[in-house]
Amino acid sequence: DTAVSQTPKYLVTQMGNDKSIKCEQNLGHDTMYWYKQDSKKFLKIMFSYNNKELIINETVPNRFSPKSPDKAHLNLHINSLELGDSAVYFCASSQVWDKEGEQYFGPGTRLTVT
Amino acid sequence: SQQGEEDPQALSIQEGENATMNCSYKTSINNLQWYRQNSGRGLVHLILIRSNEREKHSGRLRVTLDTSKKSSSLLITASRAADTASYFCATDGDSGGSNYKLTFGKGTLLTVNP
Repeated sequence: DTAVSQTPKYLVTQMGNDKSIKCEQNLGHDTMYWYKQDSKKFLKIMFSYNNKELIINETVPNRFSPKSPDKAHLNLHINSLELGDSAVYFCASSQVWDKEGEQYFGPGTRLTVT
Repeated sequence: SQQGEEDPQALSIQEGENATMNCSYKTSINNLQWYRQNSGRGLVHLILIRSNEREKHSGRLRVTLDTSKKSSSLLITASRAADTASYFCATDGDSGGSNYKLTFGKGTLLTVNP
């Protein structure tokens, strides 16, 4: 009965590789997000999708490409990985017009680029 | 750009004591939310307070909001060791009134010693 799930939980890879992180939510929400949390725990939004449509793209390098095949899934593909991409990536979802407006977070994917 | 700033950065207390964390922000908001993050886990929504509310309670949590000072506080009463976590405030001031975009602060690391 997991609400927001991400795979993999850990990802260790070398510079220059391409990798993907998958996210799925079973909450029936319309909106999904990708966040990046750095080593100092600063959490910053990267992308937001509403009903499969990109609505927020926060000055993220174009090596990062989100894809939403349907409103329950939002995947993140990263090309030509760099050391600075090492971080924890969180997927989240929300029902934007829900009266509370809270976001539900996945468990995170810790990406380490060596 | 809008950003919440939590204060203090770290707080260590004994079980049973109260813990107070503060958050300041820069632009007008529609609502402010508090989230908790246990080590190695995703964020969990705690409470949302709207800009026209001054105080809100949820169990052992009490949140206040002072829009004139652009600040909020989170009080956890009768703390328990299980409350040990990082606490983040998040505001929607940069999203034009929707909850599409939350801006998170850097968090307060709360340690409750048994």
